Amino acid sequence: QSVLTQPPSVSGAPGQRVTISCTGSSSNIGAGYDVHWYQQVPGTAPKLLIYDNSNRPSGVPDRFSGSKSGTSASLAITGLQAEDEADYYCQSYDSSLRKVFGGGTKVTVL
Amino acid sequence: EVQLVESGGGLVQPGGSLRLSCAASGFTFSTYTMNWVRQAPGKGLECVSYISGSSSTIYYADSVKGRFTISRDNAKNSLYLQMNSLRDEDAAVYYCARHRATVVTPFFDYWGQGTLVTVSS
Repeated sequence: QSVLTQPPSVSGAPGQRVTISCTGSSSNIGAGYDVHWYQQVPGTAPKLLIYDNSNRPSGVPDRFSGSKSGTSASLAITGLQAEDEADYYCQSYDSSLRKVFGGGTKVTVL
Repeated sequence: EVQLVESGGGLVQPGGSLRLSCAASGFTFSTYTMNWVRQAPGKGLECVSYISGSSSTIYYADSVKGRFTISRDNAKNSLYLQMNSLRDEDAAVYYCARHRATVVTPFFDYWGQGTLVTVSS
């Protein structure tokens, strides 16, 4: 069981908007720690997608956006493209000095 | 360009040992906390250990505490993970990842390609 909870899968047609939730608790996200997001194409290493809730590293398209509120965070993908088909993981920190992850969400482009 | 290259994975019997290495380049290695993150087949990500730049702070997940030892050699720009008493559940791809923290919460800004550890008799 992962510390952070994500839906196992989401899907959408090309061009649509999909969102992925990440739910934590008062010992991690709710304690004020930020949330980061990674994209993992099958067979490859994870790649940083969003850091500090809503910031995109250089090179990440602005179709990807993140937000955080209370004990949860979310990742939105607008204008869904075939290349966005991947697994997405949220990550935060907890009061035990652990870097904690969500269980991952598989995004399918219909 | 930041590069992280893991090596040392392979097939090992339960109870056996393995030493993973990660060669870093393209940044000042000694100033960064480094991590080992693993991913069991078909599963999610787990940070099993990290070590600060000076080796003064070391963390182990409960799942590996007492069996794994993380270390680094800043002169060689290298990170290591000594894995002893390996169990079936340690089978995974092990990634070396660089730690970065802009405000409060650390994240992993660069990852290696991973090295596969298989535990089987």
